[in-house]
Amino acid sequence: GNSVTQMEGPVTLSEEAFLTINCTYTATGYPSLFWYVQYPGEGLQLLLKATKADDKGSNKGFEATYRKETTSFHLEKGSVQVSDSAVYFCALKGSARQLTFGSGTQLTVLP
Amino acid sequence: ETGVTQSPTHLIKTRGQQVTLRCSSQSGHNTVSWYQQALGQGPQFIFQYYREEENGRGNFPPRFSGLQFPNYSSELNVNALELDDSALYLCASSLPGQGTDTQYFGPGTRLTVL
Repeated sequence: GNSVTQMEGPVTLSEEAFLTINCTYTATGYPSLFWYVQYPGEGLQLLLKATKADDKGSNKGFEATYRKETTSFHLEKGSVQVSDSAVYFCALKGSARQLTFGSGTQLTVLP
Repeated sequence: ETGVTQSPTHLIKTRGQQVTLRCSSQSGHNTVSWYQQALGQGPQFIFQYYREEENGRGNFPPRFSGLQFPNYSSELNVNALELDDSALYLCASSLPGQGTDTQYFGPGTRLTVL
């Protein structure tokens, strides 16, 4: 079956530091890949997505590239802000309609 | 704002009771999916409805059931509540056939079972 493995947290960074959150996946076929963000007390918000190999998703300074050869979709941001503090979830959607999520990575950015 | 709303925001029930959670999909979206998110975990797929019919189900027992209405609002019903049912319940709406079939989530309902 499909699965997503995320870098374990929590991750604590200083403001303006570089962020990488690793995500690898196992799936048959050609899944679509997503990053969702969850702020405290809220539901999930779509951050970015990529639908095929070598696609780069980007939004709000975050980027992730769909790497089929390494089955990865790592999330990066060049300079994090305190407001980026949240839980980040990597997810995939394969031939079935549902999303399969990783366990989430808690990010805390200190001023 | 995703345009997906859920009610109630919080709910407390006791073991053995029944609960109904509600979701209003984004305008025009004919597919709704429900997820259970236990504390500190990623969401787990419960089931999906498309045009009022169940269209896929995860590894959840039959006491988890759902309905979707012609106006695309939906319900999640859970019978015989157990302590482990305590979680955040999320619904997500989507419109299959539109590219990646991106799912847009509501804010969730926090269910506590005592």
